[in-house]
Amino acid sequence: SQQGEEDPQALSIQEGENATMNCSYKTSINNLQWYRQNSGRGLVHLILIRSNEREKHSGRLRVTLDTSKKSSSLLITASRAADTASYFCATRETSGSRLTFGEGTQLTVNP
Amino acid sequence: GAVVSQHPSRVICKSGTSVKIECRSLDFQATTMFWYRQFPKQSLMLMATSNEGSKATYEQGVEKDKFLINHASLTLSTLTVTSAHPEDSSFYICSARSPSGGSTDTQYFGPGTRLTVL
Repeated sequence: SQQGEEDPQALSIQEGENATMNCSYKTSINNLQWYRQNSGRGLVHLILIRSNEREKHSGRLRVTLDTSKKSSSLLITASRAADTASYFCATRETSGSRLTFGEGTQLTVNP
Repeated sequence: GAVVSQHPSRVICKSGTSVKIECRSLDFQATTMFWYRQFPKQSLMLMATSNEGSKATYEQGVEKDKFLINHASLTLSTLTVTSAHPEDSSFYICSARSPSGGSTDTQYFGPGTRLTVL
């Protein structure tokens, strides 16, 4: 079963707006990662945040992690039509090597 | 960054035939490779973890006799779908974990293979 739950399942915004996606998980983790997937394609690694980190930035991406609430958020600022894709969070559990994916958020950025 | 390739990218086969999918790490040695399955508009489901030189570890509910995994070298893992049926039609994605592990812990994904069983 999937550990991660993401909301919203789908998000539609206008170009230039910010997009925020949330992810919750259930077990203890070593790190949490965010991936992007264009329709019918492979995954692209976006950013990794360790369990002892609270916030991380990479370009227009900002990720937060709250281990007390077992949740993370991905913020994409100044969105572009090219950001249209599915975004998945994935957790690396402390107990093993498995990377478990959330259900994903389908982001549509309208030009 | 590291590159993982998959071949073929797309395959259509008749029901009852077997299909082999190759996954290669092109510029690093991957001691561990993972195979995922993704149905349309759904998330990735881990099928099995493959360690070089040893038997794969399958997730609960995944038939090891139907989905044969071989990881004979540090750069190649194969997934064979035996006696494929239409319900096996899916997007299969492999992934290789960089052996540096630890805090870098980056898992590289292949571009996926679209399997359609008629």
